[in-house]
Amino acid sequence: GAVVSQHPSRVICKSGTSVKIECRSLDFQATTMFWYRQFPKQSLMLMATSNEGSKATYEQGVEKDKFLINHASLTLSTLTVTSAHPEDSSFYICSARAGGHYEQYFGPGTRLTVT
Amino acid sequence: AQKVTQAQTEISVVEKEDVTLDCVYETRDTTYYLFWYKQPPSGELVFLIRRNSFDEQNEISGRYSWNFQKSTSSFNFTITASQVVDSAVYFCALSSRSGYSTLTFGKGTMLLVSP
Repeated sequence: GAVVSQHPSRVICKSGTSVKIECRSLDFQATTMFWYRQFPKQSLMLMATSNEGSKATYEQGVEKDKFLINHASLTLSTLTVTSAHPEDSSFYICSARAGGHYEQYFGPGTRLTVT
Repeated sequence: AQKVTQAQTEISVVEKEDVTLDCVYETRDTTYYLFWYKQPPSGELVFLIRRNSFDEQNEISGRYSWNFQKSTSSFNFTITASQVVDSAVYFCALSSRSGYSTLTFGKGTMLLVSP
């Protein structure tokens, strides 16, 4: 089956710093990647959709200058949380979808803690 | 707009009991996909099933079964003879064109199976 990896799995950073999370599709070409955020005991909320080579489309209420998404290749998308604050602490999950397919394959998630 | 409602926030059962998780959806599309995912404490989403709107056949896979009824816009999930390892949060999700083929998740149902 299709495999999506995320790195790092856990990260702790200080308030005001930036952190980058990588999402890779290991055995297929992901024309579209999605980034979700999940707060404790809550559902997954879509943050943005990115198509390879295009600018990401952000959901309402998500600050595009704070959450920088780059999808420069068919196997890699990155999410950079800039000037992180404690309220950005969350579980970030990416998913990837191959062109012409409906199925999304999820990464294992990255737990971000901002101190 | 599309919406998924999982009215049960938390269910507790004793091992070997059967349990049904409810999912009700809303969409204006005639073509759509419904999904169930399991999220164990590790956080990684585990895909369980996908069903398209034209296939109302119920499905059984081992101890799992799904009841899809378009007339009531429901896609319920039953675990037979539950086990402790079934303890997790279960999400129902919907994808359709009017939602730009993104996944809309329900709020999830936490299932606790005690020995």
